[in-house]
Amino acid sequence: AQSVTQLGSHVSVSEGALVLLRCNYSSSVPPYLFWYVQYPNQGLQLLLKYTSAATLVKGINGFEAEFKKSETSFHLTKPSAHMSDAAEYFCAVRMTTDSWGKFQFGAGTQVVVTP
Amino acid sequence: DGGITQSPKYLFRKEGQNVTLSCEQNLNHDAMYWYRQDPGQGLRLIYYSQIVNDFQKGDIAEGYSVSREKKESFPLTVTSAQKNPTAFYLCASSMTGRGDTQYFGPGTRLTVL
Repeated sequence: AQSVTQLGSHVSVSEGALVLLRCNYSSSVPPYLFWYVQYPNQGLQLLLKYTSAATLVKGINGFEAEFKKSETSFHLTKPSAHMSDAAEYFCAVRMTTDSWGKFQFGAGTQVVVTP
Repeated sequence: DGGITQSPKYLFRKEGQNVTLSCEQNLNHDAMYWYRQDPGQGLRLIYYSQIVNDFQKGDIAEGYSVSREKKESFPLTVTSAQKNPTAFYLCASSMTGRGDTQYFGPGTRLTVL
């Protein structure tokens, strides 16, 4: 069965610094991969997704992620953190072999942005 | 605007009571899902449905029940058999293609008093 691991439950970054959130998946077949953001007491909002078209995926709010098959990774980055980026981020995987697709979510990474 | 609505936003329940959480979508999605979210545990799948009048248990279905009588609606009942029901509950929907995105509602926070 596929799974997804997010390294680091909490990340603190300075405003203007690089944001790097790590996500690794375990699967012999490259899955579909997603990053979501969640603000307090709200639902999840899609940031970006990888569906095998291009390995570098650009999303909303200046975020991007790169799919690396050799490393089974899909790390999320943003060059310059903004205070509004403080939220929880979830990586999710959906198997390409599924006829419709059950999602598996990572445990989440809480991002704190300091002035 | 198309989207997913969940009600109520906050819900309080006494121990031993059943309670039903509402989820409605107007995105014309075939699939709908219920997740439970606890701090530090990510999202855990309770039930999902691909089509009207059909649904399957997820990873933590014990103590929960659902129905799917209409395409737009997928209510979740938290029964008294659920031992630790205090949590944040999220409803989601998607089309059924392999690369299709799940879209989420705003959530319902259930607290058992």
